[in-house]
Amino acid sequence: DQQVKQNSPSLSVQEGRISILNCDYTNSMFDYFLWYKKYPAEGPTFLISISSIKDKNEDGRFTVFLNKSAKHLSLHIVPSQPGDSAVYFCAATLVKTDKIIFGKGTRLHILP
Amino acid sequence: GAGVSQTPSNKVTEKGKYVELRCDPISGHTALYWYRQSLGQGPEFLIYFQGTGAADDSGLPNDRFFAVRPEGSVSTLKIQRTERGDSAVYLCASSEGREQPQHFGDGTRLSIL
Repeated sequence: DQQVKQNSPSLSVQEGRISILNCDYTNSMFDYFLWYKKYPAEGPTFLISISSIKDKNEDGRFTVFLNKSAKHLSLHIVPSQPGDSAVYFCAATLVKTDKIIFGKGTRLHILP
Repeated sequence: GAGVSQTPSNKVTEKGKYVELRCDPISGHTALYWYRQSLGQGPEFLIYFQGTGAADDSGLPNDRFFAVRPEGSVSTLKIQRTERGDSAVYLCASSEGREQPQHFGDGTRLSIL
């Protein structure tokens, strides 16, 4: 069963607009959530994270929102740039473990 | 470079053969992780080392898979009697320790014919 779900396989956004990537999870024992970005033929790159005790974390153009009651998080990228075109993985870690559980990813296309 | 290095970048072999995949973590990182990414899926956890010992190997799919990290730095993932279903990208990551961001290598693409 998929504990971290990214239901949109792909998303296209106009350059300069806001990109919103969504993620749902099922395990209430997750204590840390992360977003990774992946270009073809490269490994995933850590982007931003949020602790389960927070509801928002911002880093430059990237903001992650966490809604624990809905078991939902989202990544906002504003403004979107051509270099943001990549696959974005939502991920989570369980209390007292270090293994990351990844979603299937969402491919983001930034249109000129 | 200062990142996680994985060799080879590509490996093609026949069903039934033995393969070894190597990971050089970032210098000084005590934690090392192996993941496997199949087509259309996210990376899937295999095993985690803290120093020389395997702290969590719950993700290894069966006893054909084994990993070592004898000196607490370089790690080798070993797969015996390979099967076509083992074809995937094998990713290695390292971190400074527990609850620190994991930094990934570019992976080894393994193809079993």
